[in-house]
Amino acid sequence: AQSVSQHNHHVILSEAASLELGCNYSYGGTVNLFWYVQYPGQHLQLLLKYFSGDPLVKGIKGFEAEFIKSKFSFNLRKPSVQWSDTAEYFCAVTVYSSASKIIFGSGTRLSIRP
Amino acid sequence: KAGVTQTPRYLIKTRGQQVTLSCSPISGHRSVSWYQQTPGQGLQFLFEYFSETQRNKGNFPGRFSGRQFSNSRSEMNVSTLELGDSALYLCASQGTEPWGYTFGSGTRLTVV
Repeated sequence: AQSVSQHNHHVILSEAASLELGCNYSYGGTVNLFWYVQYPGQHLQLLLKYFSGDPLVKGIKGFEAEFIKSKFSFNLRKPSVQWSDTAEYFCAVTVYSSASKIIFGSGTRLSIRP
Repeated sequence: KAGVTQTPRYLIKTRGQQVTLSCSPISGHRSVSWYQQTPGQGLQFLFEYFSETQRNKGNFPGRFSGRQFSNSRSEMNVSTLELGDSALYLCASQGTEPWGYTFGSGTRLTVV
């Protein structure tokens, strides 16, 4: 069965620090990859997505992610975090054969110290 | 455009009861998916409806069911509630753009 692993459960950073959240998936076929963010008390929002083409995708709020097919990874990065980035981040994947089913990772809680 | 609307926002039920949650997708969206979010299990796919037909299903017991109406609004029903059903239930709608899911704010169900 397909799965998504986020190895960092809770990350604590100071403002202006660089961020990298890890995401690995297990599926050998064609996938679509996503990062969602859930700010405290708010609904899930799409940060960025990868379908095909350039493996480096840029999303909203200065986030980017790189798809490395050989490593089955889709890590999220931001060069300089802000206090407002405090949220929970979810990596997710859909597979070609079941495109309507999103498989989520367990999430990474990001806390930013002002 | 209006987002995905889920009602009610909060719900408290007693073990053994049943509950119905509602989701109104973005106007024009025909696909509605449901997810259960818990601290222990994270976000798990329940099922997806498209044009009133269940198109995909996750690994939940038969106590969890859903339906979709001709106006694309969807309902999710959980019968014989258990304490472990306490969760945030999220609905997502999708339009014609590929994998363009928009999530609602969810219904927080507490079973006591």
